[in-house]
Amino acid sequence: GAGVSQSPSNKVTEKGKDVELRCDPISGHTALYWYRQSLGQGLEFLIYFQGNSAPDKSGLPSDRFSAERTGGSVSTLTIQRTQQEDSAVYLCASSRRLAGVTYEQYFGPGTRLTVT
Amino acid sequence: GDSVTQMEGPVTLSEEAFLTINCTYTATGYPSLFWYVQYPGEGLQLLLKATKADDKGSNKGFEATYRKETTSFHLEKGSVQVSDSAVYFCALTSTPGTYKYIFGTGTRLKVLA
Repeated sequence: GAGVSQSPSNKVTEKGKDVELRCDPISGHTALYWYRQSLGQGLEFLIYFQGNSAPDKSGLPSDRFSAERTGGSVSTLTIQRTQQEDSAVYLCASSRRLAGVTYEQYFGPGTRLTVT
Repeated sequence: GDSVTQMEGPVTLSEEAFLTINCTYTATGYPSLFWYVQYPGEGLQLLLKATKADDKGSNKGFEATYRKETTSFHLEKGSVQVSDSAVYFCALTSTPGTYKYIFGTGTRLKVLA
């Protein structure tokens, strides 16, 4: 079946503009994650959605970052008033999720964001 | 807090050489340990995992053993191929069932023909 898809694959924006990044998880996966991968850094956890529960936003670096997940499926990560330090690859992952069990995360190819 | 430390890359090897990529961790509780691989232009994908001490994860000729006494999960392969060129990430979840993964910084492997 189809994997996790993300769009756009590349985004170049000017400092101060808002951007929206989209993630389509694998059908039936109730858990969805956003990570940020900066050059020379590991994956930085941003936000986690699980079903209808309140998301874990503890990894969002500032209030310029927000994310939503509509209908338990597609998710959008929004960065307002982008800064140059926001330049990174933004990765989305999804997994099955049952209480007490950790399943493999399936990653999308990422969106490379460049803020000029 | 929990953390993962990987050896810095890039690692450059000739085809058929032996590979070791070191990974050590600090964690409270009993973590599950993972190796993910990212091939050029693709998303991360799970390579192997181990969920308890002394477990050995293996896949595609790669192996890693969960060593609680040394808090390590080193990745090994006896004979690398050019197609193994990728970035390898060590990761953990701090307690069983938790959703929050901690990733290392990644190690780039380049295999020359």
